[in-house]
Amino acid sequence: GESVGLHLPTLSVQEGDNSIINCAYSNSASDYFIWYKQESGKGPQFIIDIRSNMDKRQGQRVTVLLNKTVKHLSLQIAATQPGDSAVYFCAEIVRNYGGSQGNLIFGKGTKLSVKP
Amino acid sequence: IAGITQAPTSQILAAGRRMTLRCTQDMRHNAMYWYRQDLGLGLRLIHYSNTAGTTGKGEVPDGYSVSRANTDDFPLTLASAVPSQTSVYFCASSAKPNTEAFFGQGTRLTVV
Repeated sequence: GESVGLHLPTLSVQEGDNSIINCAYSNSASDYFIWYKQESGKGPQFIIDIRSNMDKRQGQRVTVLLNKTVKHLSLQIAATQPGDSAVYFCAEIVRNYGGSQGNLIFGKGTKLSVKP
Repeated sequence: IAGITQAPTSQILAAGRRMTLRCTQDMRHNAMYWYRQDLGLGLRLIHYSNTAGTTGKGEVPDGYSVSRANTDDFPLTLASAVPSQTSVYFCASSAKPNTEAFFGQGTRLTVV
């Protein structure tokens, strides 16, 4: 079956550096992608999303890049802070063929650790 | 505070027992979801509901059932719990299907 996956399960960065978290997807029919942040003991929290008709979207200190040619998604965090330490998940909307329901399919997550 | 409320926060359950996890949202979202989160497997969709009165199966529906009698509530029932259902369960909602989902704080369930 098709799935969303991550290149790196763990990432350790120095405070103040930029972080890049990568994600590969394999379903070319996916048309909506979301990055979530999950802190220990909490539910996933929306960070930023991007639709397949875009290749870049910026938020506050975060940028998501979408490369449809190679089916790759990345989350860039500028000036990483200790509060950014968490597990980051990418998720895609996969539409069920023959139906109208698109369900969020999550990757397995990358743990980001920020060293002071 | 607006959002999603899950109950209980945690539960230890004997195998074979019936258990209902509760989920309530006050954002008037149409769509609601139940996920389970297991180490190394990420979040997997159990069941979903696009609107009150309708439900659908996700990736791992076996052993679980849901109902959506109204917009706000989306309970998840384990008819006869088994140890493999030990997991953290997250309820989520979105204004409409296929859009940004908001998550609850989770229910940690241990089946012994």
